[in-house]
Amino acid sequence: DIQMTQSPSTLSASVGDRVIITCRASQSLTSWLAWYQQKPGKAPKLLIYKASSLESGVPSRFSGGGSGTDFTLTISSLQPDDFATYYCQQYNSYSITFGQGTRLEIK
Amino acid sequence: EVQLVESGGGLVQPGTSLRLSCAAAGFTFDDYGMHWVRQAPGKGLEWVSGISWNSLTTGFADSVKGRFTISRDDAKKSLYLEMKSLRPEDTALYYCAKGNSSRVRDFFDFWGQGTLVTVSS
Repeated sequence: DIQMTQSPSTLSASVGDRVIITCRASQSLTSWLAWYQQKPGKAPKLLIYKASSLESGVPSRFSGGGSGTDFTLTISSLQPDDFATYYCQQYNSYSITFGQGTRLEIK
Repeated sequence: EVQLVESGGGLVQPGTSLRLSCAAAGFTFDDYGMHWVRQAPGKGLEWVSGISWNSLTTGFADSVKGRFTISRDDAKKSLYLEMKSLRPEDTALYYCAKGNSSRVRDFFDFWGQGTLVTVSS
């Protein structure tokens, strides 16, 4: 299986900050990577697909980048609603895998 | 509006079986691949299984291979997960998720609210 490693595991930041979460794959994904946001007690929500395509309705402060094995999720200016846990997911193989998650908390 | 409603969860003993269902609405069900993703209490997301639009392709996580079966009934717009030989480590909230395409290798654009499976003696 393709292993997905996110960093950091926890990130403390303030409203207005620019934050970057990284996701590294154990083998090349080309661009078959998605990002999700999950809030406590809620189902995950799709943010980004194909590494950098923004899902409809997602604010433009979210952006994705990278290809191959290294990917990023950037939030340009944190809003109060953005404090949540974020997951990357690869769909390059028939055995889909997620990163372990990055918890974004208020500093 | 896309809706996915899971059912069938509950408290079961180790070694027993359980069948989860997911009722879909608001989209052309038989055009899309469908998936099950689980989340153990306080843990991250784990993809469990997926099925293509025509049921010809399925995929399973290594942790459930040989124990779980995925199927779909397009006439009923329903997805199923048959779980056998359940283990305590299968305890989780099980989400039904819609794929973005007809394939198994895909991302998930809509999710249900989940059904809780607890495996304990």
